[in-house]
Amino acid sequence: GDSVTQMEGPVTLSEEAFLTINCTYTATGYPSLFWYVQYPGEGLQLLLKATKADDKGSNKGFEATYRKETTSFHLEKGSVQVSDSAVYFCALSDHGNQGGKLIFGQGTELSVKP
Amino acid sequence: GAGVSQSPRYKVAKRGQDVALRCDPISGHVSLFWYQQALGQGPEFLTYFQNEAQLDKSGLPSDRFFAERPEGSVSTLKIQRTQQEDSAVYLCASSLREGDYEQYFGPGTRLTVT
Repeated sequence: GDSVTQMEGPVTLSEEAFLTINCTYTATGYPSLFWYVQYPGEGLQLLLKATKADDKGSNKGFEATYRKETTSFHLEKGSVQVSDSAVYFCALSDHGNQGGKLIFGQGTELSVKP
Repeated sequence: GAGVSQSPRYKVAKRGQDVALRCDPISGHVSLFWYQQALGQGPEFLTYFQNEAQLDKSGLPSDRFFAERPEGSVSTLKIQRTQQEDSAVYLCASSLREGDYEQYFGPGTRLTVT
């Protein structure tokens, strides 16, 4: 079945460091790909998405490119801030899935130190 | 505008008790999803409604789990004879229409079974 694998955390970075969180997926169809973020004490929020191969999703300085050839959707940010500390989830929705249910990775905790 | 709300936010149940968890989706959203998030894991799909119709319940872990959305808005997830392994955060999400891949999540209900 469809699945998502993300790099394990926690990831600890200093402020202004470069961030990469790896995400790879397995899907039988042509999925849409997402990054969700969960800040401490808050609910899941959509960070960015890409719906087809070679699309780049971006938001709040974060970017991810849908790479069909490597089945990847790695999250990047050029300069992280303390306020980016959160848990990040990669997810997919296979267009063949009824209703668009999401399949999530296990999450990667990011801690940014001043 | 109001987002997705869930109640109660926290629930402690003794093993064997029945619980009911409520979800109020964003007004007008057709699709409603329930997910279960164990500690340190990503959310896992439980069930999906389109309006009042439950179109996918493939993720419900046992017949002790039951969900309904009788009028196509508020939904209730019921767990009968709770077990310790049911301890998790239960997330509700809604989206505007079927196949709309942007899901809006509620804050979740943290269920602890003692």
